[in-house]
Amino acid sequence: DSGVTQTPKHLITATGQRVTLRCSPRSGDLSVYWYQQSLDQGLQFLIQYYNGEERAKGNILERFSAQQFPDLHSELNLSSLELGDSALYFCASSLTSRGLAADTQYFGPGTRLTVL
Amino acid sequence: QKEVEQDPGPLSVPEGAIVSLNCTYSNSAFQYFMWYRQYSRKGPELLMYTYSSGNKEDGRFTAQVDKSSKYISLFIRDSQPSDSATYLCAMISRDDKIIFGKGTRLHILP
Repeated sequence: DSGVTQTPKHLITATGQRVTLRCSPRSGDLSVYWYQQSLDQGLQFLIQYYNGEERAKGNILERFSAQQFPDLHSELNLSSLELGDSALYFCASSLTSRGLAADTQYFGPGTRLTVL
Repeated sequence: QKEVEQDPGPLSVPEGAIVSLNCTYSNSAFQYFMWYRQYSRKGPELLMYTYSSGNKEDGRFTAQVDKSSKYISLFIRDSQPSDSATYLCAMISRDDKIIFGKGTRLHILP
């Protein structure tokens, strides 16, 4: 158990809908990262937040947004969902924000999103 | 050409064998190289992290980086059935861009 929690574990929704995925980092970690993992694209970095502020951005679509709250939990919002958004969404956390290479990231168990 | 190439497998080897997993990359800006292990229905966990060319050993695992050939490897000695998982290579560039390989599925046969 990495200490990172994600809810819900599974989510089934329809195209055009909006969903929110939630992540609680390990105790003491200030950075939260979001990743998308699909069969065709593999694991892709979406976005990183550090202590409430956006730190780095990867291949995140404009339909997706994230935020980190004062209690350090984070939410990933996915809107206008398409079939191709079906994937595993992972959250990871690390202690600091000295760059992606500097800290070990601990991954949560993921949320499996199915868009029908 | 993809930035990171990794054979998806599956790779099946008998217990006790030495396993060799590899990734090639095209972007010479990659500076940091990592290997993650991902069990079914779990998130990835960091196994090895290297910066420079050469070998780094941790228990039964050895990570090897050859920057001149843009080639990285992970060796697992005395492989165990518990090593059965998907192994992802990952690379980070100087401008903090991270790219993952698609992963190699490994089966260790008892």
